[in-house]
Amino acid sequence: DTAVSQTPKYLVTQMGNDKSIKCEQNLGHDTMYWYKQDSKKFLKIMFSYNNKELIINETVPNRFSPKSPDKAHLNLHINSLELGDSAVYFCASSREGGSLVYGYTFGSGTRLTVV
Amino acid sequence: SQQGEEDPQALSIQEGENATMNCSYKTSINNLQWYRQNSGRGLVHLILIRSNEREKHSGRLRVTLDTSKKSSSLLITASRAADTASYFCATDEVGTYKYIFGTGTRLKVLA
Repeated sequence: DTAVSQTPKYLVTQMGNDKSIKCEQNLGHDTMYWYKQDSKKFLKIMFSYNNKELIINETVPNRFSPKSPDKAHLNLHINSLELGDSAVYFCASSREGGSLVYGYTFGSGTRLTVV
Repeated sequence: SQQGEEDPQALSIQEGENATMNCSYKTSINNLQWYRQNSGRGLVHLILIRSNEREKHSGRLRVTLDTSKKSSSLLITASRAADTASYFCATDEVGTYKYIFGTGTRLKVLA
């Protein structure tokens, strides 16, 4: 199936731990994104990579570090997890960067719960 | 600050009725998109309207854009129970290419 796939789907971890979320797309898209959706359903962009190059880096704590080994993968590593990091994290991709023509394709999300 | 804000926050209608959701934004945009999110799932792209377009149709969806009022509406005609979801608008500010999502409208279609 052609898609954006994220792993894991659920992640429960203790405060202070370090965790990673992986994202892969087999759509041949050039640009990938990480979004955070809080409990009020507000979606906020965190990072965007275009062909492995960081193009959007919003004001997020530097405990969050994205890594793009190739244009099909964009992983998110989070150090020293805090309670406030609990949210659903969505990976997305788009055929082009910049102003979109076709929209994003989203993954199904990773629900992170920090206890 | 939040770019897109949907109105109403929640909407409950009977199957067969039309559902209208509105989105307001603050800055000049390149285009505006609407997405649907079913509970516990990712967002699905519905339709994109460019800043020089006023209306666009896709199946039972009709989107309008009024750049002078900085607002858009999404109309779902002849709604079905399967349309129950949250609907988000997303806008990109000219020059930034960052898409900002609103908080969504939760639509419930009763069978």
